[in-house]
Amino acid sequence: EADIYQTPRYLVIGTGKKITLECSQTMGHDKMYWYQQDPGMELHLIHYSYGVNSTEKGDLSSESTVSRIRTEHFPLTLESARPSHTSQYLCASSEAGGRFAEAFFGQGTRLTVV
Amino acid sequence: QKEVEQNSGPLSVPEGAIASLNCTYSDRVSQSFFWYRQYSGKSPELIMSIYSNGDKEDGRFTAQLNKASQYVSLLIRDSQPSDSATYLCAGGAGGTSYGKLTFGQGTILTVHP
Repeated sequence: EADIYQTPRYLVIGTGKKITLECSQTMGHDKMYWYQQDPGMELHLIHYSYGVNSTEKGDLSSESTVSRIRTEHFPLTLESARPSHTSQYLCASSEAGGRFAEAFFGQGTRLTVV
Repeated sequence: QKEVEQNSGPLSVPEGAIASLNCTYSDRVSQSFFWYRQYSGKSPELIMSIYSNGDKEDGRFTAQLNKASQYVSLLIRDSQPSDSATYLCAGGAGGTSYGKLTFGQGTILTVHP
């Protein structure tokens, strides 16, 4: 069973607030991902990290930012939440490449901005 | 061209039938391939992985990879209503993006009794 955790699971917050979505994994994986997914829609990669101090933006433009100061921790921050940020955010990690590229997912954070 | 493309679906099959899900990929995604299942409101879970040309079987699931045609598929035999979900194809990149996983848009499968 994968050991990757996201908190909170659900968050309802007002417009303009700053929020941080937490993601931690205990598997020592180098690669970590943040995906955004609306109900019934496809996964969109918004941030990717190769390892500590290495991050890049994904295929879908996002106003969020990420940091990777420790291997196990990959938080996502929204400086000023807006209703358009309402979505499910999924964090994932993988060990390496090739046969070890398989990603394990956290349970997700469902964000609602009112 | 999208790096990983699933162009079948939504798919509806009767219980007990074989469900066939297809995926094509670009040159950037060539190292390894994975099939995930995602139930509504849940996170994706890995069900199959394949790295070499040919077939790989695991219970009712068979993954097929054809690198010459850049094609990967998933067959589900004896489909059950509990198989109803979105199936995601994913590929691991090579080169400068080694290990980066890219997902297709998903295929919705419905197995009706």
